[in-house]
Amino acid sequence: SQQGEEDPQALSIQEGENATMNCSYKTSINNLQWYRQNSGRGLVHLILIRSNEREKHSGRLRVTLDTSKKSSSLLITASRAADTASYFCATDGGYQKVTFGTGTKLQVIP
Amino acid sequence: EAGVVQSPRYKIIEKKQPVAFWCNPISGHNTLYWYLQNLGQGPELLIRYENEEAVDDSQLPKDRFSAERLKGVDSTLKIQPAELGDSAVYLCASSRENTGELFFGEGSRLTVL
Repeated sequence: SQQGEEDPQALSIQEGENATMNCSYKTSINNLQWYRQNSGRGLVHLILIRSNEREKHSGRLRVTLDTSKKSSSLLITASRAADTASYFCATDGGYQKVTFGTGTKLQVIP
Repeated sequence: EAGVVQSPRYKIIEKKQPVAFWCNPISGHNTLYWYLQNLGQGPELLIRYENEEAVDDSQLPKDRFSAERLKGVDSTLKIQPAELGDSAVYLCASSRENTGELFFGEGSRLTVL
């Protein structure tokens, strides 16, 4: 079963534009993570935000978390063709039980 | 450090045949996960190990799926007999205790004909 649901399901933008993906989840969490998956490959961890944090930055990535709305967003600034991938949010409800969302497929057009 | 290693990368079998997947986690990672990923979907947890103990196997279809993690290191996931609906990518991941971050292998893509 999927804990999170990403929105939009697919996103196509021009290189240099910003990409925003949203994630909604159902139950309380210890932390929320974002992962990237290139086609045919495994998932790669991008960033983790704890339930007591509201915003976190890592390079061109900005993640926000609103626990009252059970939602998170991932912003990729100044996108590049190499950012083309699927992006998944994952929630850790405790004891390292990590549950993934349905994913957003991002296409960055050069 | 070496990453999570999975084999085989690809497997094609006929229905009702058995199949096994192997995973070698990152050294020192005590938590090991097996996920199933259908095309266009997110990974779904099958089983999670803390060292050699299966602490969450509620989503593992136990009539045909089995898993083991001997000595708390390598793990094997087995399907017997395979069904058409088992065609998917089987992902293994590991993590160090209380860090949150999962490290994934490249996955084993199963096609059941």
